[in-house]
Amino acid sequence: EPEVTQTPSHQVTQMGQEVILRCVPISNHLYFYWYRQILGQKVEFLVSFYNNEISEKSEIFDDQFSVERPDGSNFTLKIRSTKLEDSAMYFCASSEYRGSNYGYTFGSGTRLTVV
Amino acid sequence: AQSVTQLGSHVSVSEGALVLLRCNYSSSVPPYLFWYVQYPNQGLQLLLKYTSAATLVKGINGFEAEFKKSETSFHLTKPSAHMSDAAEYFCAVSDGSGNTGKLIFGQGTTLQVKP
Repeated sequence: EPEVTQTPSHQVTQMGQEVILRCVPISNHLYFYWYRQILGQKVEFLVSFYNNEISEKSEIFDDQFSVERPDGSNFTLKIRSTKLEDSAMYFCASSEYRGSNYGYTFGSGTRLTVV
Repeated sequence: AQSVTQLGSHVSVSEGALVLLRCNYSSSVPPYLFWYVQYPNQGLQLLLKYTSAATLVKGINGFEAEFKKSETSFHLTKPSAHMSDAAEYFCAVSDGSGNTGKLIFGQGTTLQVKP
């Protein structure tokens, strides 16, 4: 069964450093998403991406965050200057069709720890 | 604004017993509703979804959920719990028009299955 692949599974970084979280969506999917889950809290929407541009972003997704699809397969989330409160599990997801009513396929997540 | 509330952050049942995980939603538009499961160290896997067709929705692994508009509920049930059902379960709601890619998640319920 097709999978969304995220790397690394766990990343530790120092406060103020830049991190790039990587995702390989399912090959025929056109819509891409990032979500995060701070420990003990809800899974929260960050951003959706289609046709090489952001479709929607949450208030969490400020200027410190950016997304990119640098080639035909990868979808990345960059955090420019990490803060302690960025520590969370970050999930990538993709879908073939627009809108969440079809359901996404999620990756297994990257646990980011900022120290 | 849409929201989801999952009653009970932790539910414990005996193997073979009924599983009932509660989810109530708030939505000003007809909602699409989802249940996701997360096994340890894995991603979010879609269990089932309600998209305004049948109100009783059957999913994978013997789970089902019933949409009750009058109660704004979408509780997840399984007649007989297996040890392998131990996981975290998330209820989520989306804009029923499907125009946004955003899912709003509940805070999750951890299901423990005792032998």
